[in-house]
Amino acid sequence: EAQVTQNPRYLITVTGKKLTVTCSQNMNHEYMSWYRQDPGLGLRQIYYSMNVEVTDKGDVPEGYKVSRKEKRNFPLILESPSPNQTSLYFCASSSPGRAPYEQYFGPGTRLTVT
Amino acid sequence: KQEVTQIPAALSVPEGENLVLNCSFTDSAIYNLQWFRQDPGKGLTSLLLIQSSQREQTSGRLNASLDKSSGRSTLYIAASQPGDSATYLCAVSSPNTGFQKLVFGTGTRLLVSP
Repeated sequence: EAQVTQNPRYLITVTGKKLTVTCSQNMNHEYMSWYRQDPGLGLRQIYYSMNVEVTDKGDVPEGYKVSRKEKRNFPLILESPSPNQTSLYFCASSSPGRAPYEQYFGPGTRLTVT
Repeated sequence: KQEVTQIPAALSVPEGENLVLNCSFTDSAIYNLQWFRQDPGKGLTSLLLIQSSQREQTSGRLNASLDKSSGRSTLYIAASQPGDSATYLCAVSSPNTGFQKLVFGTGTRLLVSP
């Protein structure tokens, strides 16, 4: 089954404790990205990757890091989480070379930073 | 800068009613437009994708239309059911913002009463 998976689905942590949210897709997609969803603000892009070893900032990259060492994986790293990073996070993937470039989303990770 | 607006923010209807959800965008130079469904605390389910060259797409009781020149899309739901209760999001991709990046509206929360 074609899918995007994220782990963990729920995470409660404390300020300053480094964490990683994993994202994996099995569709051989080149493009992957991370969004965060906040009430009243909708979904906003954090980082994206056009392919292995190619990443770039989205609209709200501050406080986050990413890496793309393998095509299928795109982890989101919070080196020193703060309460304003409490949010619902989504990973997405698509294939730039495959019309109509539909984006597929993971189930989401709800992060709470206390 | 592309901005996406969805009106109304919330809608409550009795079961069986036909309804229309609206989405407007400021930059008509879009690549495609996707409608998603999101259940409370859950991920995004893609409902319909309309490419910029298309006028509408249909899936079951759902019909989405696109008018690029006026910067509008509508999602028509026929014979609504309680199971349709969810938040509906529209998102556009544009050449000007990187065609793989989606810009989201803040959604319409739909409640269908039995």
